[in-house]
Amino acid sequence: EDQVTQSPEALRLQEGESSSLNCSYTVSGLRGLFWYRQDPGKGPEFLFTLYSAGEEKEKERLKATLTKKESFLHITAPKPEDSATYLCAVRYTDKLIFGTGTRLQVFP
Amino acid sequence: DAGVIQSPRHEVTEMGQEVTLRCKPISGHNSLFWYRQTMMRGLELLIYFNNNVPIDDSGMPEDRFSAKMPNASFSTLKIQPSEPRDSAVYFCASSLGPANEQFFGPGTRLTVL
Repeated sequence: EDQVTQSPEALRLQEGESSSLNCSYTVSGLRGLFWYRQDPGKGPEFLFTLYSAGEEKEKERLKATLTKKESFLHITAPKPEDSATYLCAVRYTDKLIFGTGTRLQVFP
Repeated sequence: DAGVIQSPRHEVTEMGQEVTLRCKPISGHNSLFWYRQTMMRGLELLIYFNNNVPIDDSGMPEDRFSAKMPNASFSTLKIQPSEPRDSAVYFCASSLGPANEQFFGPGTRLTVL
């Protein structure tokens, strides 16, 4: 069965404390891996798309990487405004399969 | 650009009542997706349209759910009759094509009493 698993479920960081979020998948025939950020009471906001192993993309303090079985979202020197739930999704045919997310809290 | 627009933002109804959720996609986007989000199951795709045609409705939980897209700028998701287990946040998303990144609306929080 196609699955997307995110870990950890929740992560508490001190401001400036770098860390990584993991997204592992078992989808065969991957046609793209997507990262989204979701703030409470809002819809997911698109961050990155990765298509092939070895690909990396960066945006401010975030960097996403992709291997054949997993993706990492690295957060460098996070700030309180980075607090949110981060969702990854894999494209299988024309559909996205979402993980359940990592809830990140960054404390000053 | 106003982004994806959904209405209402909140809906409280009683079991057995009909509920209609509305979505206006981003202008120029030809793919539209309806999702449901719950704590237990996360974000699940219910149905998606391409060029106003339903392509895959395998995620629609049962016959009580139906979706339409009469034109490129409007879609509805209807639940009739509603049940308490339908309580969730329903999101609409649109994209330039089914393979492109999706842009989500603010969601409709549905509570069925």
